[in-house]
Amino acid sequence: QSALTQPASVSGSPGQSITISCTAPSDESTTFNSVSWYQQHPGTAPKLLISDVNSWPSGTSNRFSASKSGDTASLTISGLQADDEAHYYCSSYTIRRTWVFGGGTKVTVL
Amino acid sequence: QVQLVQSGAEVKTPGASVKVSCKASAYTFVDYYIHWVRQAPGQGLEWMGCISPHSGDTYYAHRFQGRVTLTTERSASTAYMELGRLTSDDTALYFCARGGPHTYEDLDFWGQGTLITVSS
Repeated sequence: QSALTQPASVSGSPGQSITISCTAPSDESTTFNSVSWYQQHPGTAPKLLISDVNSWPSGTSNRFSASKSGDTASLTISGLQADDEAHYYCSSYTIRRTWVFGGGTKVTVL
Repeated sequence: QVQLVQSGAEVKTPGASVKVSCKASAYTFVDYYIHWVRQAPGQGLEWMGCISPHSGDTYYAHRFQGRVTLTTERSASTAYMELGRLTSDDTALYFCARGGPHTYEDLDFWGQGTLITVSS
């Protein structure tokens, strides 16, 4: 199945808010009922950031929030900080009991 | 705390197979799916498949069907990913990750990754 579509890059200044979008493919293989977000700093393993809509694993700051409307999900980072500079991936479960990731978005803090 | 520790980096020639291990600790191994995700150099994440250590049920991404085999050794709390017929396109960092009791739950703990290089 096709990967989820994310913008390649998003940037913002410290303290600002940014939003990363994630769009489901048109083949309807992705349930998109549950969309999760992962953060990956260079040279490290990905980390689960948000599990479905606004379910934060222990250790995730509430500056991160998620939403979903139709076939588009979004991750918002409020009060942008230097440590937020990383790659962010959305993921979704499919009707075939498989998973699919987005292409990833590089967040740059200006 | 939950840990997944993977085997070390390997260099393989085209056409060979590779088997990566992932040893779990600090949780009940059989109760959670183990997923495998790879990341080519400079690229994004790609889900390969998952396995239930409890039932042995496996689910594979379509593009890896027939080329990847996931297994577990419950007595050793270890999962394995074997990938065959390697090509240079398989050069990547391979991660194992813990899912939930069901296939639809997120990947909450990740191994450190194993670099597989395919080169003649």
